[in-house]
Amino acid sequence: EPEVTQTPSHQVTQMGQEVILRCVPISNHLYFYWYRQILGQKVEFLVSFYNNEISEKSEIFDDQFSVERPDGSNFTLKIRSTKLEDSAMYFCASSVDGGDTQYFGPGTRLTVL
Amino acid sequence: AQRVTQPEKLLSVFKGAPVELKCNYSYSGSPELFWYVQYSRQRLQLLLRHISRESIKGFTADLNKGETSFHLKKPFAQEEDSAMYYCALLPLEYGNKLVFGAGTILRVKS
Repeated sequence: EPEVTQTPSHQVTQMGQEVILRCVPISNHLYFYWYRQILGQKVEFLVSFYNNEISEKSEIFDDQFSVERPDGSNFTLKIRSTKLEDSAMYFCASSVDGGDTQYFGPGTRLTVL
Repeated sequence: AQRVTQPEKLLSVFKGAPVELKCNYSYSGSPELFWYVQYSRQRLQLLLRHISRESIKGFTADLNKGETSFHLKKPFAQEEDSAMYYCALLPLEYGNKLVFGAGTILRVKS
């Protein structure tokens, strides 16, 4: 059964550094998402992406964040200048269409020191 | 605002006992509701979607619009059911982002 994959599984970075989190959505899916979960808190929506553009973003997704689909398979989340409070588990998800079930990747644990 | 409430952080039951994981939602439109499960060190996996009306691994969930609830039930818990369970709302009239509850840890004791 096809699955969403994410790399790396764990990323450690220094405050102020740029990080890129990578995701490969399920191949026939058209909608892509990023969520994050700070330790002990809820899973929170960051951004959704469809047809090569952002379709929706949350208040968390400020100018420090960007998403890109650089080729036909990868979907990336970039944080330009990481802050301590960006430390979280970041989940990528994809769905066939906007109202369909979202399938999640295993997550990338980002630790900002 | 759309909101999902899971009042229990931890639910501990003995094997063979019935299980009910509570979920209440706040949403003015027609809700699309899901239960996701996360086993230890694994990804979030879809367990149930209310429109499918399926029973997966013995779990069922009924949407009660009057009580704005979508509780997850299983008549006889098994040890392999131990996991984190998340209730989630897809408020389609406001986009396609999932709104998650805080999650409930289910611990099934032998």
